[in-house]
Amino acid sequence: EAGVAQSPRYKIIEKRQSVAFWCNPISGHATLYWYQQILGQGPKLLIQFQNNGVVDDSQLPKDRFSAERLKGVDSTLKIQPAKLEDSAVYLCASSHSGYQPQHFGDGTRLSIL
Amino acid sequence: DQQVKQNSPSLSVQEGRISILNCDYTNSMFDYFLWYKKYPAEGPTFLISISSIKDKNEDGRFTVFLNKSAKHLSLHIVPSQPGDSAVYFCAARDTGNQFYFGTGTSLTVIP
Repeated sequence: EAGVAQSPRYKIIEKRQSVAFWCNPISGHATLYWYQQILGQGPKLLIQFQNNGVVDDSQLPKDRFSAERLKGVDSTLKIQPAKLEDSAVYLCASSHSGYQPQHFGDGTRLSIL
Repeated sequence: DQQVKQNSPSLSVQEGRISILNCDYTNSMFDYFLWYKKYPAEGPTFLISISSIKDKNEDGRFTVFLNKSAKHLSLHIVPSQPGDSAVYFCAARDTGNQFYFGTGTSLTVIP
């Protein structure tokens, strides 16, 4: 089966600019996650979707981050405006349900100048 | 507050010997634990998991042990191979289906 696809792989922007990441989960996976991984740390959940509904977004900085999963398949994560501390790898993952292990994409490495 | 901790940032082991990676957690409501393996520039890959109702799960060279009273789990790799060199993340799920990850342990298997 095809894995979780993410794009772009790398992105460099200046602070206060906006950026968007795209994720295409494994076909048939109802649950989709966005994680932020700062260098030297483990992945931190930003938002979890079940189909096209939000299950958990308690750790999403909603003043600048937004995410959507239209039609319950692809998802986009947006940051507007970006801050220096947003420099991280943004990982998308999917699973059949919240009770099963997640399959991760290769991530988008974001650098803020 | 880090609910899942991996206190050893790195570990080096000779090829053929056992690798033991450790993980501690603080939340007694965690009901499912996982280990992921990560190569550079790739996303984490699921390795093995264990439910809180078990104390051991084995899959080939990989065995995960869970000690609920100590809130501790470990991953044993026997025998270790150079291809096992990667960063290993421990993760735990709470009853709300949120996953928490440790900071990772970088394993180097020396040929």
